[in-house]
Amino acid sequence: EAAVTQSPRNKVAVTGGKVTLSCNQTNNHNNMYWYRQDTGHGLRLIHYSYGAGSTEKGDIPDGYKASRPSQENFSLILELATPSQTSVYFCASGLDRGQLYFGEGSKLTVL
Amino acid sequence: AQKVTQTQTSISVMEKTTVTMDCVYETQDSSYFLFWYKQTASGEIVFLIRQDSYKKENATVGHYSLNFQKPKSSIGLIITATQIEDSAVYFCAMRDNTNTGKLTFGDGTVLTVKP
Repeated sequence: EAAVTQSPRNKVAVTGGKVTLSCNQTNNHNNMYWYRQDTGHGLRLIHYSYGAGSTEKGDIPDGYKASRPSQENFSLILELATPSQTSVYFCASGLDRGQLYFGEGSKLTVL
Repeated sequence: AQKVTQTQTSISVMEKTTVTMDCVYETQDSSYFLFWYKQTASGEIVFLIRQDSYKKENATVGHYSLNFQKPKSSIGLIITATQIEDSAVYFCAMRDNTNTGKLTFGDGTVLTVKP
């Protein structure tokens, strides 16, 4: 079974602070993704990666950076967190043209 | 740009009945991939079933099946013999035929199965 783990699972941050959400996958998938989910909505893509060293902008990249230092790890970075970034963030991994496997989600609250 | 629309915000059914959830999509691609995911009350997102656009046969997995109508850009999810534990949010998603592998999601349909 595919395994994607996220940390932290819950985070409370202050406006203007830096937040890093981490994701680790043991599936050896090339592709990794960061999505956010807001109440009553589907998932929206923030950043994604084809492999170690690569990051690409998704549909809503403003205010976020991403880092893919290795095949297994993909981080989402909020340099200056704002209350509008309060959300649940999901990491996922997958092969080309295959289904995605999602992590458990990270709930971020920015006060 | 791709777009996925789920018009049913919520559905309520009695246990052991059959339910169909609708999904329509927009794409300029001639080849694409369609998925249905389930999000449980705990927030877990689980892959259920997929349909590749070039396949004419509707996909079936367990008590999940798809009604793929390519001319109508429609991919409905059918759940037969529903169970209480099928209560969840169901998302339709589309993926293009490039190596980006990006999934575009609909807003989801909340399914409640009553005893």
